[in-house]
Amino acid sequence: DQQVKQNSPSLSVQEGRISILNCDYTNSMFDYFLWYKKYPAEGPTFLISISSIKDKNEDGRFTVFLNKSAKHLSLHIVPSQPGDSAVYFCAASALDSTLGRLYFGRGTQLTVWP
Amino acid sequence: DAMVIQNPRYQVTQFGKPVTLSCSQTLNHNVMYWYQQKSSQAPKLLFHYYDKDFNNEADTPDNFQSRRPNTSFCFLDIRSPGLGDAAMYLCATSRDQDSYEQYFGPGTRLTVT
Repeated sequence: DQQVKQNSPSLSVQEGRISILNCDYTNSMFDYFLWYKKYPAEGPTFLISISSIKDKNEDGRFTVFLNKSAKHLSLHIVPSQPGDSAVYFCAASALDSTLGRLYFGRGTQLTVWP
Repeated sequence: DAMVIQNPRYQVTQFGKPVTLSCSQTLNHNVMYWYQQKSSQAPKLLFHYYDKDFNNEADTPDNFQSRRPNTSFCFLDIRSPGLGDAAMYLCATSRDQDSYEQYFGPGTRLTVT
């Protein structure tokens, strides 16, 4: 049973515009959320995270929003750049999970075109 | 640079022929993880080590085994690969058991013929 869902397998955005990647989760025990970025032939790399005690975390062009009541989080990239083209994975962890166990979504392929 | 290294990057094995995938890390992290990722699917945790303590996921097939001879190295052994085991295998580390952030290697793409 997929506890973290990324329902859009792909997203295409023009350079300079905002990219919004969405993620939904089902487990109310999740208390920490992460976004990973993956280029072809490379492993996922950590991008940004948010604790459940916050509703927003910002790092440069990247902002993650958390809506606990809706069990929904989103990653905003603004302005989008061609180098942002990659697969983005949403991941979540629960306070009582074993050894920081992460639950991943299937990923969203972002393409930023000039 | 501190990193997670996986060898080989691409591995081809025959149906039923044992294969071993390797992971090493220079981060000196206590926790190491092995994930299986099939095309267009989420990475699936197979097992992890906290130091030398081995933790197997309940749904990881017995065909998959792991060894961690020291802090730096971790191996994934597939005793009798089936066609369904063809996937990307990702190794990851985290500093400690209460660390959420995981650092991934580039992965090994396994093909079973």
